[in-house]
Amino acid sequence: EDKVVQSPLSLVVHEGDTVTLNCSYEVTNFRSLLWYKQEKKAPTFLFMLTSSGIEKKSGRLSSILDKKELSSILNITATQTGDSAIYLCAPVGDKLIFGTGTRLQVFP
Amino acid sequence: GAVVSQHPSRVICKSGTSVKIECRSLDFQATTMFWYRQFPKQSLMLMATSNEGSKATYEQGVEKDKFLINHASLTLSTLTVTSAHPEDSSFYICSASRAGVNSPLHFGNGTRLTVT
Repeated sequence: EDKVVQSPLSLVVHEGDTVTLNCSYEVTNFRSLLWYKQEKKAPTFLFMLTSSGIEKKSGRLSSILDKKELSSILNITATQTGDSAIYLCAPVGDKLIFGTGTRLQVFP
Repeated sequence: GAVVSQHPSRVICKSGTSVKIECRSLDFQATTMFWYRQFPKQSLMLMATSNEGSKATYEQGVEKDKFLINHASLTLSTLTVTSAHPEDSSFYICSASRAGVNSPLHFGNGTRLTVT
């Protein structure tokens, strides 16, 4: 059975801190892994990772995939209050399932 | 701009009635669309995979006779919650990807269903 585990479930930090969010997965016919940010409504796309070891970067966010370890991390540097959200990872295999998400709260 | 449009964004209905939710891909053809449900403070749970021109594939525990999915065209999938009950109250989100297995999913803005 496909499964996705994200950790930590919840994270509370102060502005300026750096955070690392983890995602481990077991899926059939793995193709890629997606990261999303969800605030109040639908998730917004952050990254799609298909190759191991190649970091994708967008501003203060970066992510990398480790196919050998069946995992991925999402880093956010110099966090801001606007980064407060739930971060979801979703490995794409025969179907697309989501992890439980990491709830990040950034306080001033 | 939005590439997946979902309608309505919010609906309140009485127990026993049926509600239809539409999901449209705006500028691309989507042979496959996905329907998710999200309860408060929980992650998105895949309900079913909607395939254009064929029957949807439902996840274990999702009643296909209660959640009717129709994917009649390459740009439209509908989810009908039949004989809705209060426990069906939830946030329903559809998603679609452009052609190609390595395209990211784009989400609709979701539908908040409240059954009274």
